[in-house]
Amino acid sequence: GAVVSQHPSRVICKSGTSVKIECRSLDFQATTMFWYRQFPKKSLMLMATSNEGSKATYEQGVEKDKFLINHASLTLSTLTVTSAHPEDSSFYICSARVTGGVETQYFGPGTRLLVL
Amino acid sequence: AQSVTQPDIHITVSEGASLELRCNYSYGATPYLFWYVQSPGQGLQLLLKYFSGDTLVQGIKGFEAEFKRSQSSFNLRKPSVHWSDAAEYFCAVGAGNNDMRFGAGTRLTVKP
Repeated sequence: GAVVSQHPSRVICKSGTSVKIECRSLDFQATTMFWYRQFPKKSLMLMATSNEGSKATYEQGVEKDKFLINHASLTLSTLTVTSAHPEDSSFYICSARVTGGVETQYFGPGTRLLVL
Repeated sequence: AQSVTQPDIHITVSEGASLELRCNYSYGATPYLFWYVQSPGQGLQLLLKYFSGDTLVQGIKGFEAEFKRSQSSFNLRKPSVHWSDAAEYFCAVGAGNNDMRFGAGTRLTVKP
């Protein structure tokens, strides 16, 4: 149980375009989902907390207009990187916390974004 | 705010040898503690977690970790390492809200 999927697993796009990444909890409901960014050989950096039916909470230094987050249902959150630039190239990982459960996050497999 | 320190960036052990990965945390109250493993290009898999109770926690793949409040530590151990254990290991601390902090990670290399 507690499986989280991400789509796509890899994406290459041109600079200036927008890219949407989906995060789904497959076998549980997740009121709260999280988006992380991971640079090569680095740890995870929390970008934002996504709550179903409300606006996401962004960490300091993360541009909310650039990284649009939508959490429209209890099983789906999306991250849209708008007007992507090469410096946005990274590994993006989402996680979901079981609703009503203890404080455990289950992670998706990640999405590798390359902006040319 | 809570923080996590993993003092060892890279550890190499021989297959069959024992393993201990160190994790120290800083938090004012009793934290929620986690160990995750990440294979190259993959997401994170939860190995084990500690919330309360028995301070020795058993996880998947033969891993265990011990919470030591006096040392603010939550070290991960495995008695006999397998080649498939080579990966990046992350310790994390949660504060009972939306805030989870990760350590910088320890990369484990397993020698044949």
